[in-house]
Amino acid sequence: DGGITQSPKYLFRKEGQNVTLSCEQNLNHDAMYWYRQDPGQGLRLIYYSQIVNDFQKGDIAEGYSVSREKKESFPLTVTSAQKNPTAFYLCASQGPPAGTSGTYNEQFFGPGTRLTVL
Amino acid sequence: DAKTTQPTSMDCAEGRAANLPCNHSTISGNEYVYWYRQIHSQGPQYIIHGLKNNETNEMASLIITEDRKSSTLILPHATLRDTAVYYCIVRVRLSGGSYIPTFGRGTSLIVHP
Repeated sequence: DGGITQSPKYLFRKEGQNVTLSCEQNLNHDAMYWYRQDPGQGLRLIYYSQIVNDFQKGDIAEGYSVSREKKESFPLTVTSAQKNPTAFYLCASQGPPAGTSGTYNEQFFGPGTRLTVL
Repeated sequence: DAKTTQPTSMDCAEGRAANLPCNHSTISGNEYVYWYRQIHSQGPQYIIHGLKNNETNEMASLIITEDRKSSTLILPHATLRDTAVYYCIVRVRLSGGSYIPTFGRGTSLIVHP
């Protein structure tokens, strides 16, 4: 089964600790994204990567870091510099849907990680 | 970059059609309109997209006005499982030529029995 996975589903951390959220995809997509969602809000872009070994800051990158050493993986680290890290984090990849001719791309989202900082 | 405006919330009776409007008056000629939905505490799911023609798939229909400044997502026979937040987005074009979608607050659709 092709898809995008995130782990863990729930994560609790103490204030001041760095934490890394996992995101893996086996869809062979070049582009991957991290979003943050707060209650009742839309998705805000943290970082995105259009290709391996390259990534760009999104709208709210401060306090976060990423790496893209492999096509399949795009981990997000929430650092102690992030002032309000408690949120729902969503990872996505973008590419043509399976079985299509590649004339359009859509985003495929993982199930999300809910991070709570105590 | 085009932005979208959607009502904050709507409700619909089960079995009836749900019509979700979206305004995108600053859309440019080569920008597609995409619709996603997000069921509580899950990742958003793609529904449908279009450029200027009306589109239909197994999930929904998309009606785009002739001037492309607005669109309507139609769920023809809403069920309780269609209760979700629906996002209308126009993809933001990056300098490299690829796109990223930007998600606003969307419309919270509640389907009631």
